[in-house]
Amino acid sequence: AQRVTQPEKLLSVFKGAPVELKCNYSYSGSPELFWYVQYSRQRLQLLLRHISRESIKGFTADLNKGETSFHLKKPFAQEEDSAMYYCALLVGGSQGNLIFGKGTKLSVKP
Amino acid sequence: ETGVTQTPRHLVMGMTNKKSLKCEQHLGHNAMYWYKQSAKKPLELMFVYNFKEQTENNSVPSRFSPECPNSSHLFLHLHTLQPEDSALYLCASSRATGSGNTIYFGEGSWLTVV
Repeated sequence: AQRVTQPEKLLSVFKGAPVELKCNYSYSGSPELFWYVQYSRQRLQLLLRHISRESIKGFTADLNKGETSFHLKKPFAQEEDSAMYYCALLVGGSQGNLIFGKGTKLSVKP
Repeated sequence: ETGVTQTPRHLVMGMTNKKSLKCEQHLGHNAMYWYKQSAKKPLELMFVYNFKEQTENNSVPSRFSPECPNSSHLFLHLHTLQPEDSALYLCASSRATGSGNTIYFGEGSWLTVV
């Protein structure tokens, strides 16, 4: 079955602390994974994708096929990072569609 | 960033009403999507249109009827909805479907069925 699991509904950290938002997936094909972010009163927007291997706003995510994970990390959290974070998996090849996890709310306290 | 625009932003309708949600994208994309975001479930894909043709219907009840007159516009026609259909409906678009295509979302239409 195709599935994305984000085990934490809420993650609360202090400013400057490291952050790791967990994402695990289940997919028999070659996975293509994304992190989307939704700041308060803003639209859902792409944060990063694993194929780009980039760092956006200090966040990185590495695809670990052995552990079927795509955890999102940032070494030093900032208050402006507070938002909902969604992990998503593209399935279906050329007609592929995104399957989303339930999301994790990150709260960064001053 | 304004690429995908949805109207209305908020809609309250009775169970016997007929209403429509509208989505317009200004990004020159060929694929458009409807997603449903409710309180207790992950974002759920409802419909996909690729070059105006419906390529995905994710087992959505017939009280939701999509329409894609051209690659820039997408509608979701609503008829005899149930209170459990109350949710945030998100429109999205991408250059094409599949690998390598970033999906851009609108701000959503909040629907309340009373």
